[in-house]
Amino acid sequence: DGGITQSPKYLFRKEGQNVTLSCEQNLNHDAMYWYRQDPGQGLRLIYYSQIVNDFQKGDIAEGYSVSREKKESFPLTVTSAQKNPTAFYLCASSMTGGAGELFFGEGSRLTVL
Amino acid sequence: AQRVTQPEKLLSVFKGAPVELKCNYSYSGSPELFWYVQYSRQRLQLLLRHISRESIKGFTADLNKGETSFHLKKPFAQEEDSAMYYCALRGVNAGNMLTFGGGTRLMVKP
Repeated sequence: DGGITQSPKYLFRKEGQNVTLSCEQNLNHDAMYWYRQDPGQGLRLIYYSQIVNDFQKGDIAEGYSVSREKKESFPLTVTSAQKNPTAFYLCASSMTGGAGELFFGEGSRLTVL
Repeated sequence: AQRVTQPEKLLSVFKGAPVELKCNYSYSGSPELFWYVQYSRQRLQLLLRHISRESIKGFTADLNKGETSFHLKKPFAQEEDSAMYYCALRGVNAGNMLTFGGGTRLMVKP
């Protein structure tokens, strides 16, 4: 079953802790993305990667980090430096970087206690 | 900078009524516009793109460069159209990444 898998679906974190969200795709897509979804603000781009071993900051990269060691995987780490980390996080992929059609995962909801 | 604005957070219509979800954008060049939809308990997915000039599930959207708008329209709303709709823009900025609007929740009442 092809697609994008995000895990975990729900995650709770204490303040001051880093947490890593997983994103795996088996669509053989070159590009992967992380968006943050907040009510009324739509989706905001955190980081993106157009090819393995390369990634770029999006509009709200502060307090986040990523890696792209494999084509299939694009994990996102929410660090303690992120001031307001409670949010819904969406991972997406596309055949090539900058494509208009993105394929999304089901999302991960992070709550900081 | 490119920006997408969806002025209505919630739009409620009765079944069979026409529906128009507004989208305005700001971009200095020639953008590509898209509508994405998220049905309840489903993933966000592409609904249509302006370059295709197609009708998907009865929805159409016309790019109006003069008014910088890309409103989504359907003449007769159905209950199954109830969902969250996002307008998105792809410019020719570095990376050509999509910029999304804030979203409009459409509720179609029976």
